[in-house]
This record gives sequence, structure tokens and C-alpha cells, in this order.
Amino acid sequence: QLVLTQSPSASASLGASVKLTCTLSSGHSIYAIAWHQQQPEKGPRYLMKLNSDGSHSKGDGIPDRFSGSSSGAERYLTISSLQSEDEADYYCQTWGTGIHVVFGGGTKLTVL
Amino acid sequence: EVQLVESGGGLVKPGGSLRLSCAASGFTFSSYTMNWVRQAPGKGLEWVSSISSSSNYIYYADSVKGRLTISRDNAKNSLYLQMNSLRAEDTAVYYCARVLDNFDSSGPLSIWGQGTMVTVSS
Repeated sequence: QLVLTQSPSASASLGASVKLTCTLSSGHSIYAIAWHQQQPEKGPRYLMKLNSDGSHSKGDGIPDRFSGSSSGAERYLTISSLQSEDEADYYCQTWGTGIHVVFGGGTKLTVL
Repeated sequence: EVQLVESGGGLVKPGGSLRLSCAASGFTFSSYTMNWVRQAPGKGLEWVSSISSSSNYIYYADSVKGRLTISRDNAKNSLYLQMNSLRAEDTAVYYCARVLDNFDSSGPLSIWGQGTMVTVSS
């Protein structure tokens, strides 16, 4: 069964960088994922598609401060030069034949 | 501008029914697989259902199978979710979402609506 695991929370200081992790369950390390941001009281916003080789393509208007990378079954979202508006929940998502759409549990990012 | 706008949410009693709509604009709706995703209060995102561009392929999460029905009208650029036999655990914000690439059966959800709230309570 394909499961995406995310840490429930993360924090970093204003202007610093943070790296969020999404881990694919055993046997699924080749899957691509997507990262989504959900600011308080808003709907989700697509950030990027991230492939197993670390290549990624971002959504329209997503700042260069957001980048993605991969290592094995881990998929990362790095946010540099943290701003107050980056305080949000971040979800990873994957898909495939027979599994349709799967979300991770989300990481709540606090900007200190 | 590419846009999805949901409507139809509200308060309904357990066992009741509701029909959600999602109006699409700014893209060729008939070329894209569409999805419903929900979020219970204070919880994470949960995929509910998907429908292919021509309605040939329809899938549901186990939690809603037999009670919720997804459909679309490509002539009206609209997606629907018929919700029957509603339960308290169906209480959530319901989002419609489009996959990234046209004619893909699934993929990243790249366009999201603002959501519509469904509350199931007596």
C-alpha cells in the first residue's frame, strides 16, 4: 500500500531556510509527487511536481525560493529566505494507476 | 484566468442528500480528469473521487463508495458530486481540483477551487 509520511510540524526563523520531507512507503521509491501549500483559511495551492531524480517543475507564479529535491524514497521541499506568508500547511501528493490520488498527512510550518 | 468555483454546500441532516457543483473556466474542461478532495475540520486532505475527461473512468475512495456519485457535463464546463446517505464524518470542506496535464488519467492536482463547506448534523 502506497503511503506518504510527513512530519506533523516544522519551524524555522524568518529569513532562514527550511527543508520539509515526504517519505514514500517501501517499494514505491520511483514515484513522483506534488507539493501543495495551504495557508490558513485558504484552499490548497499547487507548488510543484517533483520526480524521483530530483527534477521538478513549478506551478505558475511560484517564487524561486521554493525548490524540490529527491533522495531514494525521500522527497524534499526547500523554502529559502522564509517569509511570514510561508507559514502554512504543506502537503505532498502522489498518484498512479489503481491508487488514484494519495496525500501525506501534512506538515505545519511555523515561521518564528 | 484558469478558475474552479464550487457551490452547493450547506447544513444537512444525517441521512440527507446534497449536490455540489464546480464551475470551470479558462481552460478546455473536456480535456482534463477532475477530482473531488475533502478536508474535515482541523484535518488533512482526503481524496474523494475522480472522473476522466469523457467520464469513461470513475473512481471513489472506499469511505464514500456507494453514497457519493461524481459526474460531469462537458458542455456546461461543470463537475458535480451527488452526496446521499450523508454521515457526520462527511462534514468537510469539499474542493474540486484539476490534474496538471490534459488527457492524463491522474497526476498532480494543479488547479484547486476555493472549496464549499458541507456540515452534516442534526
